[in-house]
Amino acid sequence: AQSVAQPEDQVNVAEGNPLTVKCTYSVSGNPYLFWYVQYPNRGLQFLLKYITGDNLVKGSYGFEAEFNKSQTSFHLKKPSALVSDSALYFCAVRDVDDNDYKLSFGAGTTVTVRA
Amino acid sequence: DAGVIQSPRHEVTEMGQEVTLRCKLISGHNSLFWYRQTMMRGLELLIYFNNNVPIDDSGMPEDRFSAKMPNASFSTLKIQPSEPRDSAVYFCASSLWGGEQFFGPGTRLTVL
Repeated sequence: AQSVAQPEDQVNVAEGNPLTVKCTYSVSGNPYLFWYVQYPNRGLQFLLKYITGDNLVKGSYGFEAEFNKSQTSFHLKKPSALVSDSALYFCAVRDVDDNDYKLSFGAGTTVTVRA
Repeated sequence: DAGVIQSPRHEVTEMGQEVTLRCKLISGHNSLFWYRQTMMRGLELLIYFNNNVPIDDSGMPEDRFSAKMPNASFSTLKIQPSEPRDSAVYFCASSLWGGEQFFGPGTRLTVL
């Protein structure tokens, strides 16, 4: 079984401040982790992924995420948020050791960056 | 590459009518996923295919829903008959061997 939890429905930050969106996961084997962003009236856009290697993963638009195996977390971060980062963010996971390609998505976190 | 293509982008229909949503995968991708997104239920996986074969349709809400992949690059999702509670945004996504999924722009379905 695999699942993702995004404990915050909403995150509000001021432009220029650091942004963190939290994600914890549960898988039986090794995790394959993803972050997606969804702007209004658009499809989900892939931001970054982790499968193995360096625990700090860099992705699009200046975002990065840190994989922490002991805490089963994969938090998304951006050092300096922009108003244009306001969107809905989804974390997703699947079990690498499974032949099932289904992703389990979190419920999403709405990020609002105020000017 | 044009990315995942979905049509139509908007569909408004009356209860009882048949609705067909279409999806063209990214060239070379071998997995296809259909999702539905609503405010109440969030993002739900309806069905997915690997190499044109349906693998898991446990998310399909009822027999009114059916999906096909007549070839490696194209899929349809059909609702017959449609009901107001089917109103949602329907996304398809494709991936290569379980990697990141690339989503289409979605079809916004309104059933009156």
